[in-house]
Amino acid sequence: GESVGLHLPTLSVQEGDNSIINCAYSNSASDYFIWYKQESGKGPQFIIDIRSNMDKRQGQRVTVLLNKTVKHLSLQIAATQPGDSAVYFCAEKLSGGSQGNLIFGKGTKLSVKP
Amino acid sequence: ETGVTQSPTHLIKTRGQQVTLRCSSQSGHNTVSWYQQALGQGPQFIFQYYREEENGRGNFPPRFSGLQFPNYSSELNVNALELDDSALYLCASSSGGTGDEQYFGPGTRLTVT
Repeated sequence: GESVGLHLPTLSVQEGDNSIINCAYSNSASDYFIWYKQESGKGPQFIIDIRSNMDKRQGQRVTVLLNKTVKHLSLQIAATQPGDSAVYFCAEKLSGGSQGNLIFGKGTKLSVKP
Repeated sequence: ETGVTQSPTHLIKTRGQQVTLRCSSQSGHNTVSWYQQALGQGPQFIFQYYREEENGRGNFPPRFSGLQFPNYSSELNVNALELDDSALYLCASSSGGTGDEQYFGPGTRLTVT
């Protein structure tokens, strides 16, 4: 079946460096995408979202890029801090799909070295 | 903090029993979605409630059922528990019934023995 997947299951970066977390999605009918951060023992925390009519969206220290041609989504974190260490999930929602149905990938673990 | 609360935080049940999990949505949100997250996996959509009606359902059997109350809080009920039901159960609140901008609670860790 179609699913959201991630290129890198783990990512280790030095504090202060920029991080890029990648996500490949296979469903061309998806029109809404979200990045979540999940720390151990907690629920996923909303980071940033983007709709399919956009290719870039910026937040505080984070940028999401969407490339619909190759069905690729990325999350860029500027000046990565130890508090950014967590598992990051991308999720997609199908246009016209079951309401509320976010399809999650397996996650990428980001480890920030001080 | 999102303002979404869930109870209980942890629960241990025996196979075949029934369980009820509870969720209070964020102020101003009228939509609640429930997800199951197995260890090391991403959350899997169970169903969504909007204005007290089921508004979408994932690939889960009928023994997973839910309710939404007039104050938009919600319950997830699971009957005839199986060992594979052991997971973190998450609820997410949003507004408008579209499922956009879902904000998650801390989850309930269910262990079935």
